[in-house]
Amino acid sequence: DVKVTQSSRYLVKRTGEKVFLECVQDMDHENMFWYRQDPGLGLRLIYFSYDVKMKEKGDIPEGYSVSREKKERFSLILESASTNQTSMYLCASKPGQGGYQPQHFGDGTRLSIL
Amino acid sequence: DAKTTQPNSMESNEEEPVHLPCNHSTISGTDYIHWYRQLPSQGPEYVIHGLTSNVNNRMASLAIAEDRKSSTLILHRATLRDAAVYYCILRGNFNKFYFGSGTKLNVKP
Repeated sequence: DVKVTQSSRYLVKRTGEKVFLECVQDMDHENMFWYRQDPGLGLRLIYFSYDVKMKEKGDIPEGYSVSREKKERFSLILESASTNQTSMYLCASKPGQGGYQPQHFGDGTRLSIL
Repeated sequence: DAKTTQPNSMESNEEEPVHLPCNHSTISGTDYIHWYRQLPSQGPEYVIHGLTSNVNNRMASLAIAEDRKSSTLILHRATLRDAAVYYCILRGNFNKFYFGSGTKLNVKP
């Protein structure tokens, strides 16, 4: 089975800090994604990557950046954390570009910015 | 991009079938219909997907209308472990999975 592992389940940081969220997948998937999930808003795509060192903006990239130096690892970076970035963050991976291929999700990181 | 519409919540009795509806009237010919579910404190989990024909797997069945503007996820015998939020998503071009608010399924013993 595909395993997508997020480094922390819960994280508390302070306003203005630089925050790193890490995600690792073990199935050699080309594509990786970062979402945030908020009540009433569903999942919203922040960034995705279709190859090492490649990245594309999703629907809400402001205030975030990403890094993909190795195929299995995709990092989300909050450059200067703000309280409105308190949320559940979900990482996902997907093998290729076909519309029939499902995404595989990690269990999420619940981030609180104080 | 195509979007989906689902009821906010549904309720079922344990061991009875559950039919979860989804409307996607703006679906394009190449959009796949995906269903995911999210259990409490977990990430979304893939359930099933289809394009035009009805599909079955060990978790559920997917019934797709002939005009593809709606679909129904069928859980044949609901268990307490099936209580979750179920998302119907259209998956077209590479980078877009649109998750709406989903349907929260409550299963009563």
